[in-house]
Amino acid sequence: AQTVTQSQPEMSVQEAETVTLSCTYDTSESNYYLFWYKQPPSRQMILVIRQEAYKQQNATENRFSVNFQKAAKSFSLKISDSQLGDTAMYFCAFRNAGNMLTFGGGTRLMVKP
Amino acid sequence: SQTIHQWPATLVQPVGSPLSLECTVEGTSNPNLYWYRQAAGRGLQLLFYSVGIGQISSEVPQNLSASRPQDRQFILSSKKLLLSDSGFYLCAWSAGEFSGYTFGSGTRLTVV
Repeated sequence: AQTVTQSQPEMSVQEAETVTLSCTYDTSESNYYLFWYKQPPSRQMILVIRQEAYKQQNATENRFSVNFQKAAKSFSLKISDSQLGDTAMYFCAFRNAGNMLTFGGGTRLMVKP
Repeated sequence: SQTIHQWPATLVQPVGSPLSLECTVEGTSNPNLYWYRQAAGRGLQLLFYSVGIGQISSEVPQNLSASRPQDRQFILSSKKLLLSDSGFYLCAWSAGEFSGYTFGSGTRLTVV
């Protein structure tokens, strides 16, 4: 079974600075997808970014980028120029063929003014 | 474009009462559908998923059940609620086996 681990339960960052959230996963599969979801205080789950395992290039969405290290089974999320609206729970998730999306335990990020 | 609707947004129910939460998806056909529960400040627990009408798989044995009477409708039910059923319930859908999930806005259930 796949597992996803987020080792940082809580993090904080000053507004306009950069923060990196860690995620590691365990799988024997070679083809899979990885995701980061954001859950703000409204508790709506929002897809932030997605990475296909067969692509070597790291995905980027505006201020959000990932550092995908396939051999190390690591998938970190970097948020640049942090904004107050980035305050949220962030969940890393893994999915391979035929299986459900497996979520990590989440990291609570607080952006401070 | 595809949208997912989930209601009600908030619900307060007494112990022992029945429950029905509804989720519908628009703009797609034959979606994979999911029900998750999230305790306060915690991660997401998959409760049920469905790959087609009448096809329900349960991940966790519990006081809840799910049904899919129509292609784009997914219902979470209970005959008698327990205090431990309190939580935040999220419905989600996905298009295929490598797709991410799109979530509904959630239902906050408090059992009193």
